[in-house]
Amino acid sequence: QVQLKESGPGLVQPSRTLSLTCTVSGFSLTSYGVSWVRQPPGKGLEWIAAIWSGGSTDYNSALKSRLSISRDTSKSQVLLKMNSLQTEDTAMYFCARFTGSGYFDYWGQGVMVTVSS
Amino acid sequence: DTVLTQSPALAVSPGERVTISCRASESVSTLMHWYQQKPGQQPTLLIYLASNLESGVPARFSGSGSGTDFTLTIDPVEADDTATYYCQQSWNDPWTFGGGTKLELK
Repeated sequence: QVQLKESGPGLVQPSRTLSLTCTVSGFSLTSYGVSWVRQPPGKGLEWIAAIWSGGSTDYNSALKSRLSISRDTSKSQVLLKMNSLQTEDTAMYFCARFTGSGYFDYWGQGVMVTVSS
Repeated sequence: DTVLTQSPALAVSPGERVTISCRASESVSTLMHWYQQKPGQQPTLLIYLASNLESGVPARFSGSGSGTDFTLTIDPVEADDTATYYCQQSWNDPWTFGGGTKLELK
């Protein structure tokens, strides 16, 4: 069955770089795209970045200068890096599979990231 | 960016019919999708491409609309439907979500 699982540090200091990994199973990264979506505590969902099945990437324009998304198809992993972290980046970070029409049909359980000194 | 506007909250009684609206600041054709999120859980897909029911989702859920105005309908509402509902568009870059509608049962 399709599964996605996020991993990463729970606590990151301000100004540091966040590295998150999404490990997928039950499908191929060359057949489906994977996105990152975040949700600050008590707030709504924000799309961050996407890597398509062909390897092309898209970023939220408000965060683009701080983001990098990549993949390792041999490990079935999608990697997200975000630099210059601020307290406002504190959120639950989800990875989700998306289809060619741009909807998210499977989601991981999320990983909570807290930015604090 | 395409702004999606949803009412913040609704309260209904079990057995009633509820409609949750989502208005886009510009046309998104029919590339509008709906998700349910219960507290402490990840979102789950309910409706894709405005009106298509995701596999495994009860037929009590339905979606309609095109262009800028969309609706998610639950009929009849059950106690388990207490959750926050989000719309999301994928027609314009960047993809965006609505602010969410929190559905409470009386």
